[in-house]
Amino acid sequence: SQWGEENLQALSIQEGEDVTMNCSYKTYTTVVQWYRQKSGKGPAQLILIRSNEREKRSGRLRATLDTSSQSSSLSITGTLATDTAVYFCATDDTNAYKVIFGKGTHLHVLP
Amino acid sequence: NAGVIQTPRHKVTGKGQEATLWCEPISGHSAVFWYRQTIVQGLEFLTYFRNQAPIDDSGMPKERFSAQMPNQSHSTLKIQSTQPQDSAVYLCASSPDWGGYAEQFFGPGTRLTVL
Repeated sequence: SQWGEENLQALSIQEGEDVTMNCSYKTYTTVVQWYRQKSGKGPAQLILIRSNEREKRSGRLRATLDTSSQSSSLSITGTLATDTAVYFCATDDTNAYKVIFGKGTHLHVLP
Repeated sequence: NAGVIQTPRHKVTGKGQEATLWCEPISGHSAVFWYRQTIVQGLEFLTYFRNQAPIDDSGMPKERFSAQMPNQSHSTLKIQSTQPQDSAVYLCASSPDWGGYAEQFFGPGTRLTVL
């Protein structure tokens, strides 16, 4: 899982496997965004899930949001070597009208 | 659309020197954000502007860091008297809106190395 005082998490899997990354957050949020950052690039948004949505899919990606446990997950099915990246969740800082990024999960997909 | 442009991509400074990093946001975007990224700390928020006005600089080290947005087409992050601990990738992002629902579009970053 990522968030708070946790260090950057790292996962290493074989191409073709499915993977789920988790994110927990400390305060109420109305939305969670998931971003992916490939080596040498800035993060790019993958998916946005709102508090009234339990699940959202986009291609091989599936995001869930459980506001009662203040957690979100991102699953990737049939991973590819090109999915190797750092994955961040980001929640809404309602007081400052900006997002707060988690520590990130480093996913390494072996070909 | 070239996306968010950051220059230079790499900068090496000596301890005590000044470093100025540039960001050109996506045209039409009203919010600009600066972040610092290191292996240990991850992605740290520094500051952000909304319609060129500074809104939140709660992440900025107060003494040596400053950011400006003199016009809608560019923002600068200046670090005075750079120290080795300032070595990091500095990321700029712009957004067409602000708040939790707004997607942020990131530049490739400037890698700052302080010797």
